[in-house]
Amino acid sequence: QQQVKQSPQSLIVQKGGIPIINCAYENTAFDYFPWYQQFPGKGPALLIAIRPDVSEKKEGRFTISFNKSAKQFSLHIMDSQPGDSATYFCAATDSWGKFQFGAGTQVVVTP
Amino acid sequence: DSGVTQTPKHLITATGQRVTLRCSPRSGDLSVYWYQQSLDQGLQFLIQYYNGEERAKGNILERFSAQQFPDLHSELNLSSLELGDSALYFCASSGPHGGGRFAEQFFGPGTRLTVL
Repeated sequence: QQQVKQSPQSLIVQKGGIPIINCAYENTAFDYFPWYQQFPGKGPALLIAIRPDVSEKKEGRFTISFNKSAKQFSLHIMDSQPGDSATYFCAATDSWGKFQFGAGTQVVVTP
Repeated sequence: DSGVTQTPKHLITATGQRVTLRCSPRSGDLSVYWYQQSLDQGLQFLIQYYNGEERAKGNILERFSAQQFPDLHSELNLSSLELGDSALYFCASSGPHGGGRFAEQFFGPGTRLTVL
């Protein structure tokens, strides 16, 4: 069963738009939530990560919003560019170190 | 280039066979992780080794096994292969400071396994 549910499956936005990807989890033992970016033919790469003691984290044009009570977190890509077109995965892990990944969201940013 | 190398790049084999995938972590990294990526299952964490010892176990089948050697390279052994084992297998490494789960993982380019 999918312990981390990710939506939408795919997303198309125009350049400058703000794609938003949402993830939800049930396991309250999760305490670390990384996001990965994957380009075709490449392995995933860590984009940004958050722990539940903060509600928001920004790194460049990427922002994670975290709602601990709702057990939801989301990725916003500000001022999106065609080079941001990729598949994005949210993930979660607990103190046992087992990583659970969302199903992935394919983002396409059109020029 | 992440600095993590994986061989082979592609592997085609038949059902029932056994294969070995190899991973060399980034220089100085002590942790190695294995992942399976398939179209229907997405990205699945299989197992983590830290400095030669198993650290965390995910959804790894009993037909699969892994080890990390003294030189820190790792191998993932897949046996009694089934059609459903066809997937991309990624190795990632992190460290060198304890390789804890908060450490950034650097992924290799993957090995594409096709089981016919």
